[in-house]
Amino acid sequence: GAVVSQHPSWVICKSGTSVKIECRSLDFQATTMFWYRQFPKQSLMLMATSNEGSKATYEQGVEKDKFLINHASLTLSTLTVTSAHPEDSSFYICSATLTGGPGDTQYFGPGTRLTVL
Amino acid sequence: AQTVTQSQPEMSVQEAETVTLSCTYDTSENNYYLFWYKQPPSRQMILVIRQEAYKQQNATENRFSVNFQKAAKSFSLKISDSQLGDTAMYFCAFMKHSSGNTPLVFGKGTRLSVIA
Repeated sequence: GAVVSQHPSWVICKSGTSVKIECRSLDFQATTMFWYRQFPKQSLMLMATSNEGSKATYEQGVEKDKFLINHASLTLSTLTVTSAHPEDSSFYICSATLTGGPGDTQYFGPGTRLTVL
Repeated sequence: AQTVTQSQPEMSVQEAETVTLSCTYDTSENNYYLFWYKQPPSRQMILVIRQEAYKQQNATENRFSVNFQKAAKSFSLKISDSQLGDTAMYFCAFMKHSSGNTPLVFGKGTRLSVIA
């Protein structure tokens, strides 16, 4: 149990286009999901907290108009990178919190590698 | 704000040996969780072990165990009988106790290489 999927696993796009990344909790419901960005050989950097039915909370320095987050249901959150530029190329990872039972635990999707040409 | 410090950027261990990865954290919270995640070359983040702060007993998961020292704010990971498949980046993480809506705070990671 506690599986999180992400789609696509990798995407290449032209500068100026928009890219949508989906994050799904497959076997549990998550009122909160998180989006992270990871540069090579670095730790995960939190971008935003996605809350089902309400607006996302963005970390300082993350442009909310560039990184649009929608948490449409208890199992799906999407991240749209609008008007992508080469500097947006990165590895994007989502996570979802499984609550209850022994306590809260975050499970991660496999990540999406975005390359903007 | 919480911080997590991993002071060992890289470590190596011989296959079948034991290795300990260090982690310290700073928080004013009393109720929280601590985690070790593993990120192999595939980059999939995999939960290795979790610890609730209110539990004094150290968590164990097969070959993985922790030494949780709450007063010292220390949370080290011991890997016994190291295997080649343990080669990965290991992240220590902190999470406040809540209703599931607080993010993880990560350390910078320790790159572990298991040598045959």
